[in-house]
Amino acid sequence: EIVMTQSPATLSVSPGERATLSCRASQSVSSNLAWYQQKPGQAPRLLIYGASTRATGIPARFSGSGSGTEFTLTISSLQSEDFAVYYCQQYNNWPPATFGQGTKLEIK
Amino acid sequence: EVQLLESGGGLVQPGGSLRLSCAASGFTFSSYAMSWVRQAPGKGLEWVSAISGSGGSTYYADSVKGRFTISRDNSKNTLYLQMNSLRAEDTAVYYCAKTIVVVVAATTTPGAYFDYWGQGTLVTVSS
Repeated sequence: EIVMTQSPATLSVSPGERATLSCRASQSVSSNLAWYQQKPGQAPRLLIYGASTRATGIPARFSGSGSGTEFTLTISSLQSEDFAVYYCQQYNNWPPATFGQGTKLEIK
Repeated sequence: EVQLLESGGGLVQPGGSLRLSCAASGFTFSSYAMSWVRQAPGKGLEWVSAISGSGGSTYYADSVKGRFTISRDNSKNTLYLQMNSLRAEDTAVYYCAKTIVVVVAATTTPGAYFDYWGQGTLVTVSS
């Protein structure tokens, strides 16, 4: 089973600034990686798939990059609605689908 | 608009059973795989099970294999999860998710990610 590790666990950033979240896979997952956003009390929402393709309706300030074992989610200019928990998920070696433990993005 | 509405959660004693349902609308249900993903209180996401569009292929996490059964009724646009022999560690919010299958390589099981999620239903296993 591939283990996904996200860092940092918590990231404090001011509105308007850039946020960079990292996700590492225990072995290569090629570009078969997705990112999700989850706000308190809500279901997760798909942001990115294929490591860098934005899902339908996702603003351009969200971008994904990386391949193999190292991935990054960048939010270029944080809006108030972006403060949430973010999860990465690999789908290269499936089943099982495996998620990272999450990064909480909080207001600085 | 894609909508997924889970139901069937509740309080159950250890060793008991529960059946979750997920009513789908806004897309051609039979054309898509579907999955269940759970989230224990204050914890991260854990994939539980998936089923192909036809229902002919099913997949399970090791943690639920032999205890949970996923199924679907394409005539009713509904996904199910039958949960037996429930344990305290099964306590979680259970989400159903529309599943996008990706061919990763010709010789391996396709991969899958989740493009739409329901709001979830809480299952609590406690005496």
